[in-house]
Amino acid sequence: DADVTQTPRNRITKTGKRIMLECSQTKGHDRMYWYRQDPGLGLRLIYYSFDVKDINKGEISDGYSVSRQAQAKFSLSLESAIPNQTALYFCATSPPGPTYEQYFGPGTRLTVT
Amino acid sequence: GNSVTQMEGPVTLSEEAFLTINCTYTATGYPSLFWYVQYPGEGLQLLLKATKADDKGSNKGFEATYRKETTSFHLEKGSVQVSDSAVYFCALIVYSSASKIIFGSGTRLSIRP
Repeated sequence: DADVTQTPRNRITKTGKRIMLECSQTKGHDRMYWYRQDPGLGLRLIYYSFDVKDINKGEISDGYSVSRQAQAKFSLSLESAIPNQTALYFCATSPPGPTYEQYFGPGTRLTVT
Repeated sequence: GNSVTQMEGPVTLSEEAFLTINCTYTATGYPSLFWYVQYPGEGLQLLLKATKADDKGSNKGFEATYRKETTSFHLEKGSVQVSDSAVYFCALIVYSSASKIIFGSGTRLSIRP
């Protein structure tokens, strides 16, 4: 079984709809992240959480919100989806300390029409 | 601030060719450096890393040397295979309790049989 799972893997939604992307991990890591990937722009950090009670904005948090329901679960919500939020979304986890290796989920391809 | 610049793609090579993907960085402090790889339809995974100057990271025939004097971490492989076709991301992190990894924009590599 994969260490980091994301649901759904693909989603098409309409402008103005609320949508939630879910992430679960079995690595036991405290740190979790949501990224957005657009062609030619690499990965941009949306939100991150260093433990269950810690939520922080990344570089592009406008239009998004998150919920850390448990150590293993970190959800990303789009309250009112718009077409320029069409992208590939990745969840990742990492352990604390100097290794900093990030473990990524397989991604969610979101299309907003 | 901290940033990563890597060569734009796509890079197209024939099988068994020599590969170099350039990466330079700007950092306040002493970063750890990484190369991540993203195969089609998958999330990113760590390829190799180096945590201090002159360290060489290596994995799967790929190598990169942490060059502090030129602020570079170029990825090389002596003989590429079709299975190496992927997107490659250079990344850095500067250690602190609130550290977050910073990714370059990615370089798409295609290998012709």
